[in-house]
Amino acid sequence: QKEVEQNSGPLSVPEGAIASLNCTYSDRGSQSFFWYRQYSGKSPELIMSIYSNGDKEDGRFTAQLNKASQYVSLLIRDSQPSDSATYLCAVAAGGTSYGKLTFGQGTILTVHP
Amino acid sequence: DTGVSQNPRHKITKRGQNVTFRCDPISEHNRLYWYRQTLGQGPEFLTYFQNEAQLEKSRLLSDRFSAERPKGSFSTLEIQRTEQGDSAMYLCASSPRGGARTDTQYFGPGTRLTVL
Repeated sequence: QKEVEQNSGPLSVPEGAIASLNCTYSDRGSQSFFWYRQYSGKSPELIMSIYSNGDKEDGRFTAQLNKASQYVSLLIRDSQPSDSATYLCAVAAGGTSYGKLTFGQGTILTVHP
Repeated sequence: DTGVSQNPRHKITKRGQNVTFRCDPISEHNRLYWYRQTLGQGPEFLTYFQNEAQLEKSRLLSDRFSAERPKGSFSTLEIQRTEQGDSAMYLCASSPRGGARTDTQYFGPGTRLTVL
């Protein structure tokens, strides 16, 4: 079992729709959770961080965390063609390894006009 | 621009050669991280520093790889006797502080290594 798994893509949604991206993780000691967006040939850029169970909203983006189910998701409302990218889920462990991020393989999102 | 910078942006080398990459973190960030990313995969952790101390190294970091951060500012990643399997994007990230909760890591543009 991979440490961080994301739903297999690619995911294609029409402009204006809600895109839902999912991620599960195996380490119950994980403390911090991040979503990064990566355009082709570019480096990852942070979209959201979430540390506590529940929802966290920032503009069109909502991150959801359920530590009991070891599940984190990202919703993108009113999707735009400019949202087309690879979305990376990253999980940070607690304890002495808290400097290390473990990434999922990424989900490719395409928003078509 | 005060973001993370990396040099060079691209490096093409022949198998067996040594290469060195440099990363300059965001000013006053005391944590610095190196990751490697291959096509279609997420970044894989290699190592990280808090100030000048190297606190963790991945099993991926074979003895051909060495990283330094001598004065707690910029860092270098050296790969000796490069192999074709080393071809990847090498990403550097920094974060502002340590502590019990991981702070956000900000990534540089990466160095793309191609080993012929």
